[in-house]
Amino acid sequence: GENVEQHPSTLSVQEGDSAVIKCTYSDSASNYFPWYKQELGKRPQLIIDIRSNVGEKKDQRIAVTLNKTAKHFSLHITETQPEDSAVYFCAASISSASKIIFGSGTRLSIRP
Amino acid sequence: NAGVTQTPKFQVLKTGQSMTLQCAQDMNHNSMYWYRQDPGMGLRLIYYSASEGTTDKGEVPNGYNVSRLNKREFSLRLESAAPSQTSVYFCASGQTGDQETQYFGPGTRLLVL
Repeated sequence: GENVEQHPSTLSVQEGDSAVIKCTYSDSASNYFPWYKQELGKRPQLIIDIRSNVGEKKDQRIAVTLNKTAKHFSLHITETQPEDSAVYFCAASISSASKIIFGSGTRLSIRP
Repeated sequence: NAGVTQTPKFQVLKTGQSMTLQCAQDMNHNSMYWYRQDPGMGLRLIYYSASEGTTDKGEVPNGYNVSRLNKREFSLRLESAAPSQTSVYFCASGQTGDQETQYFGPGTRLLVL
């Protein structure tokens, strides 16, 4: 079955700098890759997603890139702000399947 | 449009007690899910239901049962709670077969003493 690995597990960056979180997946049939943000004590919420027919997607300060050949996808946050501090989860799924597989999460801390 | 709702928000049980966690969604989604999240850990799938009338085991189903009552509601039951089941439980829903995004409920914090 699908396996998603996520790195790093913790990340600390200076406010204003960029943060990058990387994930790899095992099943080449996976074609949907969402990213979730979970603030302390809150539910996971979708922040951006990418489908396999696209190599990159941007939404303001957040971008996701996908390399299907290497089975890698990454989350890029630019000009980080204190409110970006949270745990971020990547995930992968196959459109014909009924479930998505989550990575183990990255705890991002923004230093003032 | 409330999205995904869960009850209760918080519960304390003694070892051996039973309880049912309730989940409902008003987004007309086909699929519903139950996850547990232990402190500092990721999301582990307990059970899911791809459509009304079907349920399947996830990664950690032991000690749990589920019921897909109708399209809107998906409940999780602990028949005999154990301290190892202390966790935060999230329900989620999504649309099967459409490269689905999952939408999460606010969670239920369960403490088993």
